[in-house]
Amino acid sequence: DADVTQTPRNRITKTGKRIMLECSQTKGHDRMYWYRQDPGLGLRLIYYSFDVKDINKGEISDGYSVSRQAQAKFSLSLESAIPNQTALYFCATSDRGWTSGYTFGSGTRLTVV
Amino acid sequence: GDSVTQMEGPVTLSEEAFLTINCTYTATGYPSLFWYVQYPGEGLQLLLKATKADDKGSNKGFEATYRKETTSFHLEKGSVQVSDSAVYFCALSGGQGGSEKLVFGKGTKLTVNP
Repeated sequence: DADVTQTPRNRITKTGKRIMLECSQTKGHDRMYWYRQDPGLGLRLIYYSFDVKDINKGEISDGYSVSRQAQAKFSLSLESAIPNQTALYFCATSDRGWTSGYTFGSGTRLTVV
Repeated sequence: GDSVTQMEGPVTLSEEAFLTINCTYTATGYPSLFWYVQYPGEGLQLLLKATKADDKGSNKGFEATYRKETTSFHLEKGSVQVSDSAVYFCALSGGQGGSEKLVFGKGTKLTVNP
């Protein structure tokens, strides 16, 4: 099994619908992150969590919310999906400190029509 | 704030050519530097890293040296293969205030032709 698992892998949803993307990890890491990838814009941080009781906004949190249900689970919700939220979404985890880098999931490709 | 600038692509090379992808950074303190690779349809994978000045990270024939005097971490490979075709991201963490968050460049797409 993958260290960081994202579900679903692909999703098409309609404008205005609420959708949840899920992430679970077996790395035992405290830190978890949600990123969005758009062509030509690289990766942008949506939300991050340094432990179960800690949730922080990233650079593009508007229109998104998160829930850290357990150390191993971190979900991302789009409360009312809009077409410009069409993107590739990645979950990542990291150990404490800044020298180890991240472990990424395989991504969720979300299309809002 | 901290930032990473990498050369814009796309980069197209023939097999066995020499590869350089430039990366420079702006950060306070003493950040760690990383190169990630994203193969088509996959997530990002850590390719190599360096955590202090003059360190050289290496993996799969790729190398990058942490140059504090030029604030650079250029990625190099002596002889690329078709299987190296991917998007490469330079990143840093541990800059401003010792932040653990990774700051990414925008990525460079590499295509290697047979």
